[in-house]
Amino acid sequence: EIVLTQSPGTMSLSPGERATLSCRASQSMSSTYLAWYQQKPGQAPRLLIYGASSRATGIPDRFSGSGSGTDFTLTISRLEPEDFAVYYCQQYGSSLPWTFGQGTKVEIK
Amino acid sequence: QLQLQESGPGLVKPSETLSLTCTVSGGSVSSSSYFWGWVRQPPGKGLEWIGSIYYSGTTYYNPSLKSRVIISVDTSKNQFSVKLNSVTAADTAVYYCARTPGYNPFDCWGQGTLVTVSS
Repeated sequence: EIVLTQSPGTMSLSPGERATLSCRASQSMSSTYLAWYQQKPGQAPRLLIYGASSRATGIPDRFSGSGSGTDFTLTISRLEPEDFAVYYCQQYGSSLPWTFGQGTKVEIK
Repeated sequence: QLQLQESGPGLVKPSETLSLTCTVSGGSVSSSSYFWGWVRQPPGKGLEWIGSIYYSGTTYYNPSLKSRVIISVDTSKNQFSVKLNSVTAADTAVYYCARTPGYNPFDCWGQGTLVTVSS
């Protein structure tokens, strides 16, 4: 099982600032199978990034993903008020079970 | 527009079986392009994949739950379901149904339903 560890657990930032979220895998994995989701309170997760760096349909270009091997990053270039939420990374594809990181909360400073 | 809607009891007694159904509208569970799955989230905690099913009935389960879970599909009703037996308080969670296009991430989710395990 691939364990995903996200850091930091919480980050406090102001609107307009840059957010850099980390997701580290317990073993090397294909970047093809790394996704990022955003979840707001009381809502289902929303797919942001798949294949480590491809934006899902309708996702603004201030969201970007990068990484390979065991280290992956989600960057929000300039935080908008609606971006304050919890973010999860997930590995999928042929390596079962599909697993999620524990989440990073981006809160308003 | 694809929509998924979970339904089922919101309260289940310990040791009993949790049963939920996901009704799909605006799309077909018979499509060969998609897997249909379940993900849960205990209150205040992270996400856990439970398992997924293909229209043919092929299933994939999280090993941590495999001994207690069954996922099935009913193409005539355009629904898929999850049954989790021998539940305990640790199974209290919001349960989401979701779609994955092949071996891809979950691209469409239901709104989720809270199931509480309590006597």
